[in-house]
Amino acid sequence: EVHLVESGGGLVQPGGSLRLSCAASGFTFTSYWMSWVRQAPGRGLEWVANIKQDGSEKYYVDSVKGRFTISRDNAKNSLYLQMNSLRVDDTAVYYCSRDGSSASFDFWGQGALVAVSP
Amino acid sequence: QSVLTQPPSVSGAPRQRVTISCSGSSSNIGNNAVNWYQQLPGKPPNLLIYYNDLLPSGVSDRFSGSKSGTSASLAISGLQSEDEADYYCAAWDDSLDGPVFGGGTKLTVL
Repeated sequence: EVHLVESGGGLVQPGGSLRLSCAASGFTFTSYWMSWVRQAPGRGLEWVANIKQDGSEKYYVDSVKGRFTISRDNAKNSLYLQMNSLRVDDTAVYYCSRDGSSASFDFWGQGALVAVSP
Repeated sequence: QSVLTQPPSVSGAPRQRVTISCSGSSSNIGNNAVNWYQQLPGKPPNLLIYYNDLLPSGVSDRFSGSKSGTSASLAISGLQSEDEADYYCAAWDDSLDGPVFGGGTKLTVL
């Protein structure tokens, strides 16, 4: 059974940093692209970033380019999101998801809440 | 403002059929597959339909998807109270070079 478990969320001040982790199990991690998708309180879904199986390609939504970095450790079956220069509008639940290609996210974690507030 | 346009809400009585529309453009729906997600209250999204009209294992066949041109639809037949949820469409966008979502549609079962 596929499991994705996020950790590392919390409250941070504007301009601060946070690192999210996602532990994956139940599937061959090295066979899949992985993504982070976020959802602001009471709002819809927004794709944030994704990373290729071997980490050689990474893509980001424009609003986080230069501030967020996605990475993975295939030896640990783990996905990460380093978030720097956080802004109030980055406040959201961040979901780790398995990327089945062409906007098809077939498994999701329970999410990690990131709250950016003075 | 979401790239894909969905109605904010739809409703229907138990056992009825409802449809949710998703409108896009040639850079997304017009040239790529559409996927649909169901998000129950307080839960993460769940893939409901992929590649326009395919059902993942375990999803009820009361759900169906279709696509025509730059629009897509999700149909739910035999409505049940457990179908009350938010529904999102998604597609790859060639211009933005990434996945885009609709704003979501809240389904209420009367």
